[in-house]
Amino acid sequence: GENVEQHPSTLSVQEGDSAVIKCTYSDSASNYFPWYKQELGKGPQLIIDIRSNVGEKKDQRIAVTLNKTAKHFSLHITETQPEDSAVYFCAASRSSSNTGKLIFGQGTTLQVKP
Amino acid sequence: EAGVVQSPRYKIIEKKQPVAFWCNPISGHNTLYWYLQNLGQGPELLIRYENEEAVDDSQLPKDRFSAERLKGVDSTLKIQPAELGDSAVYLCASSLGGEDTQYFGPGTRLTVL
Repeated sequence: GENVEQHPSTLSVQEGDSAVIKCTYSDSASNYFPWYKQELGKGPQLIIDIRSNVGEKKDQRIAVTLNKTAKHFSLHITETQPEDSAVYFCAASRSSSNTGKLIFGQGTTLQVKP
Repeated sequence: EAGVVQSPRYKIIEKKQPVAFWCNPISGHNTLYWYLQNLGQGPELLIRYENEEAVDDSQLPKDRFSAERLKGVDSTLKIQPAELGDSAVYLCASSLGGEDTQYFGPGTRLTVL
């Protein structure tokens, strides 16, 4: 069935360094790829998303890249800050005309050390 | 603008008891989702509503789980009877019809003893 693999499961970086989280997906029909940040005791919050007709998208310190041929996409956070510490989830789905079913990765716990 | 509202935030019950969770989506969002999130894992879809119609409930364990969205706005998810393995966070999300972006509520953390 549909599957999204996410790596690494934990990531520790020094404040100011960059962090990269990678995901691969199995459903070649997937064309919408959001990234969510989840802080302790809260629901997932959308931080950035990308669609299959775009290879890269950037929003301030956050960027996402997509390689449809290889079926993988990555989240890049530059100049990390302690408040970036959280669990990050990637997800994939077919577009809204469909089921709207998001398939999530297993999550990456990011720790930014001051 | 208010986000997705869920209640209660926490619930502790004994096994075999019933439990219900409530969700109010963002105003104007006609698509509503219930997700299950086990500890250390990503959310998994249980059911999706378009207005009052359940259009995808293939992952809902129908022997003990039920859901309703009678007026196409707020929704209730029920478990009866609860089992130890149901301990998890139950998340509600909503989106505008035809839009991909899903907005999540804070979740209800269920503990079954």
